[in-house]
Amino acid sequence: QSALTQPRSVSGSPGQSVAISCTGTSSDVGAYNYVSWYQLHPGTAPKLMIYDVNKRPSGVPDRFSGSKSANTASLTISGLQTEDEADYYCCSYAGNYTLYVFGTGTKVTVL
Amino acid sequence: QITLKESGPTLVKPTQTLTLTCTFSGFSLSTSGVAVGWIRQPPGKALEWLALIYWDDDRRYSPSLKTRLTITKDTSKKQVVLTMTNMDPVDTATYYCAHGRGFDFWGQGTLVTVSS
Repeated sequence: QSALTQPRSVSGSPGQSVAISCTGTSSDVGAYNYVSWYQLHPGTAPKLMIYDVNKRPSGVPDRFSGSKSANTASLTISGLQTEDEADYYCCSYAGNYTLYVFGTGTKVTVL
Repeated sequence: QITLKESGPTLVKPTQTLTLTCTFSGFSLSTSGVAVGWIRQPPGKALEWLALIYWDDDRRYSPSLKTRLTITKDTSKKQVVLTMTNMDPVDTATYYCAHGRGFDFWGQGTLVTVSS
């Protein structure tokens, strides 16, 4: 099972919107509505930002949103803030054998 | 409040077996539907799912590492243990444990270096 494909980096100015794509296959992203997104800041525990494609856990700002079309999921950060600068990883359920596959990771830079 | 914390050696030698413990609070692994997983991240590389154990002791492993991994739970101690055999320098990584099938809460991770 190959890792999901994400852009290596995206950037934007404060207040702008950025989108991160997460491309998989018909065996993972395309097959299930179980895509989640995680935010990683150095030295801190990873944080769940989106689950089940487009659901936000309590406490996650509504400027974070998720979507999916065919084999590609996306995370959009609207109204970018300096604290959003971090690494982001997608993850998809991939069936009963592989279970989970993570993305290659995207570094978000706030200019 | 759910918390998890990983513990174990920071340095292991090649061919040795790594044993990591995840100690958690705020939930019970005997409750239906609950699971705890392990994920790792080599320096500068992506996250990789390793293993998951369910409340009913069902265990799942990454196909690529299945022969080297064992995950167990001690419900009364609120711990999940991951063992990985035949460690290699490429296994150098930060190892995380996380709650739930959706990994909604994570520990801070523990860096394990494999070197002679």
